[in-house]
Amino acid sequence: KQEVTQIPAALSVPEGENLVLNCSFTDSAIYNLQWFRQDPGKGLTSLLLIQSSQREQTSGRLNASLDKSSGRSTLYIAASQPGDSATYLCAVYAGGGNKLTFGTGTQLKVEL
Amino acid sequence: SAVISQKPSRDICQRGTSLTIQCQVDSQVTMMFWYRQQPGQSLTLIATANQGSEATYESGFVIDKFPISRPNLTFSTLTVSNMSPEDSSIYLCSVDPRIVTGGSYNEQFFGPGTRLTVL
Repeated sequence: KQEVTQIPAALSVPEGENLVLNCSFTDSAIYNLQWFRQDPGKGLTSLLLIQSSQREQTSGRLNASLDKSSGRSTLYIAASQPGDSATYLCAVYAGGGNKLTFGTGTQLKVEL
Repeated sequence: SAVISQKPSRDICQRGTSLTIQCQVDSQVTMMFWYRQQPGQSLTLIATANQGSEATYESGFVIDKFPISRPNLTFSTLTVSNMSPEDSSIYLCSVDPRIVTGGSYNEQFFGPGTRLTVL
């Protein structure tokens, strides 16, 4: 059974800092990994999708990497802003009915 | 991508009643999914709703408690039946538009969620 873990569970940083969020998964036989953002009480916004054959994806200040063999992914946020405050979730897709397995989430707070 | 809307956005319900949540997509999609997010928890898949067939439920979820309809390729409903306070959660629908659009990557898009509180 696939299990997805995210570290740290919560993170508070001053504005302008670069930061890294971690995601690990137990079964490396995945097709892709997706990073989401969730604002309090809201739905999910897709940030980045990395295919299993890719090493990284970039969108603006966000960069996600994937090391499939070691079961790890990182989300790098450059020059953090208060508007980045949210919960960040990673999810892996391993086939079998398009089912996503979600991580536990990292709650990020960027302070002025 | 796909634009997804859900109704209602939130509701407060009494124990023993039922609530039907609607999910509308701006394009035709083959597969729609319903998730539950309990307070402080991550997302758990309830079921996959396929047009023209019965929904497929995950372990721990049953049709009598969470009946699902999928009348066409742009719409689905999830009913939370005989509610108890333990059903208080955010319920989210998601879609994978890949099959219809012809894209080659599986990427899921989520609705804004329905926040349910059961008293």
